[in-house]
Amino acid sequence: SQQGEEDPQALSIQEGENATMNCSYKTSINNLQWYRQNSGRGLVHLILIRSNEREKHSGRLRVTLDTSKKSSSLLITASRAADTASYFCATEGTYKYIFGTGTRLKVLA
Amino acid sequence: GAGVSQSPSNKVTEKGKDVELRCDPISGHTALYWYRQRLGQGLEFLIYFQGNSAPDKSGLPSDRFSAERTGESVSTLTIQRTQQEDSAVYLCASSFSTGSYEQYFGPGTRLTVT
Repeated sequence: SQQGEEDPQALSIQEGENATMNCSYKTSINNLQWYRQNSGRGLVHLILIRSNEREKHSGRLRVTLDTSKKSSSLLITASRAADTASYFCATEGTYKYIFGTGTRLKVLA
Repeated sequence: GAGVSQSPSNKVTEKGKDVELRCDPISGHTALYWYRQRLGQGLEFLIYFQGNSAPDKSGLPSDRFSAERTGESVSTLTIQRTQQEDSAVYLCASSFSTGSYEQYFGPGTRLTVT
């Protein structure tokens, strides 16, 4: 399979805690993106990090990228019940996107 | 503004029938992507268009699958002689161009082959 791998597959935390999920991939990339998917809003883009960037922030989201290890992490700080969703990383190389298997995050109120 | 729309939202078909799925991208987006998502799994990349051209069709699962795009707008994904393993949600996304641009996803078409 060419799919990337997210870790953990599932994560359950209390509201207010931080959530960290990791993504590993196999091929060289131009950029890596994180998406969120829930039943209410479908798939929504969260953040894009280019291969020459190491860290990026957007609101409560922090993404890191280590191209030497072919891995990325997504940190959600001060989680809310509304963050409950599946989170996918997607790597782009030569215009083709490879999505990971996803992390199912559940934030308990 | 209008987002990506897909039709139908649900399709139930008998094994062996052909189906056609439609995607209307965001106006002005030159790149369009098709994905398949089986229940509880990640997205499987099928094909992308830059304009009306699909440079790489290697992601299509078999020769029963084909896609086209016209007018740098609407795209259709056709599945011939459907099989039960084709049952999945088919998602379409568009972006300003190929490369480092975020994708905007449609709500998907849920295909069930009985």
